Amino acid sequence: AQSVTQLGSHVSVSEGALVLLRCNYSSSVPPYLFWYVQYPNQGLQLLLKYTSAATLVKGINGFEAEFKKSETSFHLTKPSAHMSDAAEYFCAVSGDNQGGKLIFGQGTELSVKP
Amino acid sequence: GAGVSQSPSNKVTEKGKDVELRCDPISGHTALYWYRQSLGQGLEFLIYFQGNSAPDKSGLPSDRFSAERTGGSVSTLTIQRTQQEDSAVYLCASSLEGQGIETQYFGPGTRLLVL
Repeated sequence: AQSVTQLGSHVSVSEGALVLLRCNYSSSVPPYLFWYVQYPNQGLQLLLKYTSAATLVKGINGFEAEFKKSETSFHLTKPSAHMSDAAEYFCAVSGDNQGGKLIFGQGTELSVKP
Repeated sequence: GAGVSQSPSNKVTEKGKDVELRCDPISGHTALYWYRQSLGQGLEFLIYFQGNSAPDKSGLPSDRFSAERTGGSVSTLTIQRTQQEDSAVYLCASSLEGQGIETQYFGPGTRLLVL
């Protein structure tokens, strides 16, 4: 079975500050891990994904995430927040022989203060 | 190219009525997924189609929910005898072959409100 836990349903940062959104996973098979972003009234858009090729994954809009097997974590970071980063962020897991279906965390809403 | 499209974008219905939600996946994608996004439950997997294989219906919450995919392309999610707890955003996604490593591309969703 697979599951994802996102710590913090709401995170607020100041513009220019570090963004850190936490994600921990549980998986009985080698996981593929994803971060999706959802802007207000829009669908989900892929930020980045871990597919075992490299543990540090760089995505769009300056985001990156590091896969740490020992900590079962895949936290999302961005060095300097921008107002346009305000959105909801979802961590998700899938695996081989799972049919590709994604198991999502509860989401973290990111607010950016001027 | 065109992304995943869904219709209608919004649907308001009365409790007990049936509704049909439509999804057009990206051309050439053989895998299609339905998810539900609600305040209380977050993002939940509902059903998955891959080519001609039997669909994975393991996420459907009740037998009032069903889905079909005609001709390996368009999919329709049907909710019979709608209940207020069915109010949610229904998201459709597609991917190339349905492998866990693939990116899923999401449509804008259908916002369903059951009165």
